[in-house]
Amino acid sequence: SQTIHQWPATLVQPVGSPLSLECTVEGTSNPNLYWYRQAAGRGLQLLFYSVGIGQISSEVPQNLSASRPQDRQFILSSKKLLLSDSGFYLCAWSLLNTEAFFGQGTRLTVV
Amino acid sequence: AQSVAQPEDQVKVAEGNPLTVKCTYSVSGNPYLFWYVQYPNRGLQFLLKYITGDNLVKGSYGFEAEFNKSQTSFHLKKPSALVSDSALYFCAVRVPRNFNKFYFGSGTKLNVKP
Repeated sequence: SQTIHQWPATLVQPVGSPLSLECTVEGTSNPNLYWYRQAAGRGLQLLFYSVGIGQISSEVPQNLSASRPQDRQFILSSKKLLLSDSGFYLCAWSLLNTEAFFGQGTRLTVV
Repeated sequence: AQSVAQPEDQVKVAEGNPLTVKCTYSVSGNPYLFWYVQYPNRGLQFLLKYITGDNLVKGSYGFEAEFNKSQTSFHLKKPSALVSDSALYFCAVRVPRNFNKFYFGSGTKLNVKP
């Protein structure tokens, strides 16, 4: 069966520090991969999605970047965090005709 | 533009009563429609989906949803609510023009009172 791992679960980082959140998927090949941010426990904002290795689509201009170095690995990064980067970050995967499957999320607090 | 609307920020029902969480969509073509549930500080859990076929789809935990093409709606329902159903619910759509993207509604908080 397929599983998705996202870590860490919580993270407290100072303003101006770098960020790296990692997401890996097991049990499937060539998935679409997604990074979402959820603010204040409500709506989901799509940040990035990827349909293949090295292929990244950015949905909103921001202080973050994403990379997909391997088929089932998706990384969210920042060189210098801002206070406004705080939020709940969710990784997800899907195939072309399936629902999206979500990781457990990372609560990022920038202080 | 493609969009999904959840017109109610919050829905309150008493335990044992039926519940409905509303979702309408505005997309081109025939969409794929989904419902998810989220508990605090957790990821989204898939409940059910409509792709084609019978307009009434059944999903996890006794939930069901009815696809209504003429009203462009996909409301989530359950005949008898449980206190443990209290959570945040999201409707989502995947559109033929770009199956790579999911569009999510803003979420509806369901509060089931004992």
